[in-house]
Amino acid sequence: QQQVKQSPQSLIVQKGGIPIINCAYENTAFDYFPWYQQFPGKGPALLIAIRPDVSEKKEGRFTISFNKSAKQFSLHIMDSQPGDSATYFCAASEENAGGTSYGKLTFGQGTILTVHP
Amino acid sequence: EADIYQTPRYLVIGTGKKITLECSQTMGHDKMYWYQQDPGMELHLIHYSYGVNSTEKGDLSSESTVSRIRTEHFPLTLESARPSHTSQYLCASSESLDRGRSYEQYFGPGTRLTVT
Repeated sequence: QQQVKQSPQSLIVQKGGIPIINCAYENTAFDYFPWYQQFPGKGPALLIAIRPDVSEKKEGRFTISFNKSAKQFSLHIMDSQPGDSATYFCAASEENAGGTSYGKLTFGQGTILTVHP
Repeated sequence: EADIYQTPRYLVIGTGKKITLECSQTMGHDKMYWYQQDPGMELHLIHYSYGVNSTEKGDLSSESTVSRIRTEHFPLTLESARPSHTSQYLCASSESLDRGRSYEQYFGPGTRLTVT
């Protein structure tokens, strides 16, 4: 099963709030979990990524929490700003699978985040 | 800023026409991808390539075809466009490390296709 399930579909927070977006996967062979940010009219851009050898990764105001046993990972945005308003996608891939499957990303359904001033 | 380009950005075309969506990258990446993005946002992989003369179908079945004759160029063709092909098409590329580990995928701005 290659599916990655993302929730919520949309999220509205006030400036300074901490939105949390969750993803769950089923394929235990996934070993690379990136988050992408997409603004209207643009392609997605990598925000932050984690591999399963760590449970948390932080870059600036963005943190990924990873729970390997539960097969879940989440994105936290600290001190959210109106400029963070965008669509966020989680994804997963089998980086070490070899053959022709490595590097293929399976995306979640996306979350539209709105941060009010 | 990623150096990956897609043309046209917007295309409105009638049913039955043949179209080619262009994608080029100047980063020398060996891997390239085409995604279809639904109006409801989800991205689906429709084609990918690991290098020149290498193409594979993705997870979502598509009537489109692709070619990879040059490293930097990965065009997508629809022989006969239909209204069901109306969507946004995103091209991406990535570099490969050894043992199959990849760098991030860089996305182009997308082509919004409308078939009337």
